Amino acid sequence: GIQVEQSPPDLILQEGANSTLRCNFSDSVNNLQWFHQNPWGQLINLFYIPSGTKQNGRLSATTVATERYSLLYISSSQTTDSGVYFCAVPPNFGNEKLTFGTGTRLTIIP
Amino acid sequence: DAGITQSPRHKVTETGTPVTLRCHQTENHRYMYWYRQDPGHGLRLIHYSYGVKDTDKGEVSDGYSVSRSKTEDFLLTLESATSSQTSVYFCAISESGGRTGNTIYFGEGSWLTVV
Repeated sequence: GIQVEQSPPDLILQEGANSTLRCNFSDSVNNLQWFHQNPWGQLINLFYIPSGTKQNGRLSATTVATERYSLLYISSSQTTDSGVYFCAVPPNFGNEKLTFGTGTRLTIIP
Repeated sequence: DAGITQSPRHKVTETGTPVTLRCHQTENHRYMYWYRQDPGHGLRLIHYSYGVKDTDKGEVSDGYSVSRSKTEDFLLTLESATSSQTSVYFCAISESGGRTGNTIYFGEGSWLTVV
């Protein structure tokens, strides 16, 4: 099946800093989603981004499908951005299962 | 927020006992999923459903069974719980499945401890 790798596994930043999280996948995809899991365990969908760039406030995401990677940018980090960020992709054919990466744990220090 | 309710939210059970987790949705979405989350493994799919009485296995389905008798309810059963099934379990829903691009929404999780 498709492999999804995220980097870095851990990231500690000062409040106000910018960060870039990366998601690499082993096969071409027609869908990619980014999720944020907050420190209380709640999973929130951030972006559905199979290709191109999208922005939502201080967050933006870019997927380059031909090169099999996606980037999540967080600008002017706030403590509420702390948590684990996951990317997830489905297979290109067959069933409707999403495969998740192992995540990037982001800690924002005041 | 998507209308997804998981129950129970927390449970401690003994090895060898049966356990059923319930996921209830009010969105009338076709697809429902059960994931487990463990340190170092991220989220792994246990089973999913693509309609009433239509289910399929995920990557870690051994020791688990599911049922979906109504659109709104998806049950996950551990027939005989083992300590390796101690985990956080998440239910998720999607209108048309991850492949076609619709957003997937997660419930708040069920913390299960098997002692």
